[in-house]
Amino acid sequence: EPEVTQTPSHQVTQMGQEVILRCVPISNHLYFYWYRQILGQKVEFLVSFYNNEISEKSEIFDDQFSVERPDGSNFTLKIRSTKLEDSAMYFCASSELGGAYSNQPQHFGDGTRLSIL
Amino acid sequence: GESVGLHLPTLSVQEGDNSIINCAYSNSASDYFIWYKQESGKGPQFIIDIRSNMDKRQGQRVTVLLNKTVKHLSLQIAATQPGDSAVYFCAESGNTGKLIFGQGTTLQVKP
Repeated sequence: EPEVTQTPSHQVTQMGQEVILRCVPISNHLYFYWYRQILGQKVEFLVSFYNNEISEKSEIFDDQFSVERPDGSNFTLKIRSTKLEDSAMYFCASSELGGAYSNQPQHFGDGTRLSIL
Repeated sequence: GESVGLHLPTLSVQEGDNSIINCAYSNSASDYFIWYKQESGKGPQFIIDIRSNMDKRQGQRVTVLLNKTVKHLSLQIAATQPGDSAVYFCAESGNTGKLIFGQGTTLQVKP
């Protein structure tokens, strides 16, 4: 069964450094998402991406965050200058359809654990 | 505001019994609902979904019930097995695609 893959599984970074989290969505999917989960808390939406542009972003997704689809398979989340409170699990998800046709399940990767020191 | 929640943080059941996990949502404009299972160290795994024009949907050993009148969603797991032990999240979606997750219920299956 096709799956979303994320790398690395664990990233340790010094505060203030840039970090790039990588995702390979399911190949025929058109909508891509990033979510985060702080330890012991619920999963929170960060951003959705379609047709090479951001569709929607949350308040968490400030100007320190950016997303990119650099080629036909990868989808990345960049945090420019990390803060201690950025420590969390970051999940990538993809769906075949989305937006106004959002009645399609989003499939998640196993996440990247980001630890900011 | 938008919020999705679950009634109980932890549910403990005996192996072989049926489990019912509940969720309340507040956004009456939401029209799509999903249950996810999250095992330790893994991402949310899709279990079953339901659209707002339905009130019941069945899968393999799982049933989702939707009561739009009281904005309540439930997941029923038949003949619960040790492999069902995990955290279960409900999530809702409107017309933008983003998922709003509830807090999660930890299901513990006792042998």
